[in-house]
Amino acid sequence: SQTIHQWPATLVQPVGSPLSLECTVEGTSNPNLYWYRQAAGRGLQLLFYSVGIGQISSEVPQNLSASRPQDRQFILSSKKLLLSDSGFYLCAWRGGGMLYGYTFGSGTRLTVV
Amino acid sequence: KQEVTQIPAALSVPEGENLVLNCSFTDSAIYNLQWFRQDPGKGLTSLLLIQSSQREQTSGRLNASLDKSSGRSTLYIAASQPGDSATYLCAGPFNDYKLSFGAGTTVTVRA
Repeated sequence: SQTIHQWPATLVQPVGSPLSLECTVEGTSNPNLYWYRQAAGRGLQLLFYSVGIGQISSEVPQNLSASRPQDRQFILSSKKLLLSDSGFYLCAWRGGGMLYGYTFGSGTRLTVV
Repeated sequence: KQEVTQIPAALSVPEGENLVLNCSFTDSAIYNLQWFRQDPGKGLTSLLLIQSSQREQTSGRLNASLDKSSGRSTLYIAASQPGDSATYLCAGPFNDYKLSFGAGTTVTVRA
C-alpha cells in the first residue's frame, strides 16, 4: 500500500535561518506531489506542485522553493526564513490520473521566531 | 477562479444526532470531490472520494452526495459520536493539478 512520510513534525527556527522539509512517498511511482501551507485561521494554500523529477511549478511568489531530486521525494526549502513563513506545511500526493484522490502527510508545524 | 464554500463554519450537536455538512462550488466542471477530516494539529485524512460520474459514496456512517448541476456536495454523518469532533473539509480539482479547498466546518459533538 502507498504511504506518505513527512518530517519533522515540529520545527522552531529563528528568522533568517534556512529551512528544509522533506516528504517521501512509498508504494507508488511517478506520483504528482504537492506542498500546501495552512496558516492559523486560514484555509489551505497550494505552494508548489510537481508532476515529475525536476519539474516544479510555483503557485505564489514567496520566500520558499521546492525541489524533486527523486521520483518519490519532494523537498521544501528556504534560504532565509521570515516570520510570515510560520504555519502548518502539508505534503500530498496523487496518482497520475484525475480519477485519483489526494493523500496528505501528517504535516510540519513551523514556527519562525 | 474556482470558489469552494462550506456552510456552516461551525456546528455543535449532541451525541447521537445526525450531521449534515454542506459544500458548494462555482464551477460544474469538477473532476471529483473529496471530503477530508482534520483533527487539531494533524494532517488531513481522506474520508470519501466521489467521482464526477457518481451521485454518492458511502463508508460506514458516512455518506456523501454530489450534484454537479447545482454545484453542491453534502456529507452526512449518521448517529454522531464525540470522536467525530473535528474539522471537515471538502475539495475538488477543477483543472489538472489544483485542488481547491473550502474553509471547513468545525464540528463539536457533545457527550
